[in-house]
Amino acid sequence: GQSLEQPSEVTAVEGAIVQINCTYQTSGFYGLSWYQQHDGGAPTFLSYNALDGLEETGRFSSFLSRSDSYGYLLLQELQMKDSASYFCALYAGNMLTFGGGTRLMVKP
Amino acid sequence: GAVVSQHPSWVICKSGTSVKIECRSLDFQATTMFWYRQFPKQSLMLMATSNEGSKATYEQGVEKDKFLINHASLTLSTLTVTSAHPEDSSFYICSARDQGRLGYGYTFGSGTRLTVV
Repeated sequence: GQSLEQPSEVTAVEGAIVQINCTYQTSGFYGLSWYQQHDGGAPTFLSYNALDGLEETGRFSSFLSRSDSYGYLLLQELQMKDSASYFCALYAGNMLTFGGGTRLMVKP
Repeated sequence: GAVVSQHPSWVICKSGTSVKIECRSLDFQATTMFWYRQFPKQSLMLMATSNEGSKATYEQGVEKDKFLINHASLTLSTLTVTSAHPEDSSFYICSARDQGRLGYGYTFGSGTRLTVV
């Protein structure tokens, strides 16, 4: 089976940088992805790491280290609209397994 | 591209009745679709994998007779919650992957909030 651990909540101020960590256990996977979900909405794709290293997409970056079974999502120049839940998910066997989610609260 | 449409977005039904939720891939064909369930402030839990033209694969603990899945075409999968009870109230989300696109990308429907009264 697969399991992923994330902090349940993170609070940061507008304009700051925040890092959301994700550790996982798996017997094999293709890559680690990140999704954003606002309350009442559907998850939207943010980033995907198939290889070790950093992937940058605008204000969001994601990192993967297979040797450490660890990844993170980095959000820069935080905006109020970034307040949402963020999920890491392992892609393996043609399906996604999600972590418990991290609720990010951005304060003025 | 890669749009998944899910209907209805919300539904209220009485205990004992059945509710059907539709998931359509609008601009691609999906041989496989996924159905998730999400309780408030919790993660997405995979319920079943819907396979076009064959039986769905259910995750452990999911009652296949209660959550009927039909994937009759390459663009449509339906989830029917039969004999609904208040404990079935939840947010149901479908997902599909456009395998014709390069790279990775699962697209999610907008979700269906089911309330059983």
